Amino acid sequence: GAGVSQTPSNKVTEKGKYVELRCDPISGHTALYWYRQSLGQGPEFLIYFQGTGAADDSGLPNDRFFAVRPEGSVSTLKIQRTERGDSAVYLCASRSVRGLGEQFFGPGTRLTVL
Amino acid sequence: KQEVTQIPAALSVPEGENLVLNCSFTDSAIYNLQWFRQDPGKGLTSLLLIQSSQREQTSGRLNASLDKSSGRSTLYIAASQPGDSATYLCAVRPGGGGTASKLTFGTGTRLQVTL
Repeated sequence: GAGVSQTPSNKVTEKGKYVELRCDPISGHTALYWYRQSLGQGPEFLIYFQGTGAADDSGLPNDRFFAVRPEGSVSTLKIQRTERGDSAVYLCASRSVRGLGEQFFGPGTRLTVL
Repeated sequence: KQEVTQIPAALSVPEGENLVLNCSFTDSAIYNLQWFRQDPGKGLTSLLLIQSSQREQTSGRLNASLDKSSGRSTLYIAASQPGDSATYLCAVRPGGGGTASKLTFGTGTRLQVTL
């Protein structure tokens, strides 16, 4: 079946604007993660959903960042009042509760805040 | 707080060489460890996953080992090819169950295999 998909692949916005990033997980995967990767660094955890609820949001840097997963499938990461420091690649991953616990990643959304 | 370190940060080898990438982590209470490959401008491709109870996993020319007690993992690539050129990342998932399933990543090893 299809892998994890993310849209848009690239997003350029101006400082202070609001953006939404979308993630479509692998069908049937109940666990969904958002990570952020800055240039030359490994991904850093933002938030984890189990079903519709955020099981761990300890990685969200501040209250400008918010994520939802209303029907337990697609998730949207929302960033308010964007800042230049928010520029990064935002990665989404999903995992089945069955199997070995492997996380599968999408291609990412490259966010540039001018 | 878990910290993951990868050495070396960059590596260049001629085609055909065998090579080893290293990953170390500070908290040995892990559930599993994953090795990923990342091509420039792309997402992460999962290569191997080792459960905490396992010592190694193999897939084709790749072999990953895990020594949980010493906080180390290695990724062995046999007979390297130019197509292996990419950044390799290791990531650990904490033990303890419950909601603890986020991955902590190293900064990666950038590998270049030359002709």
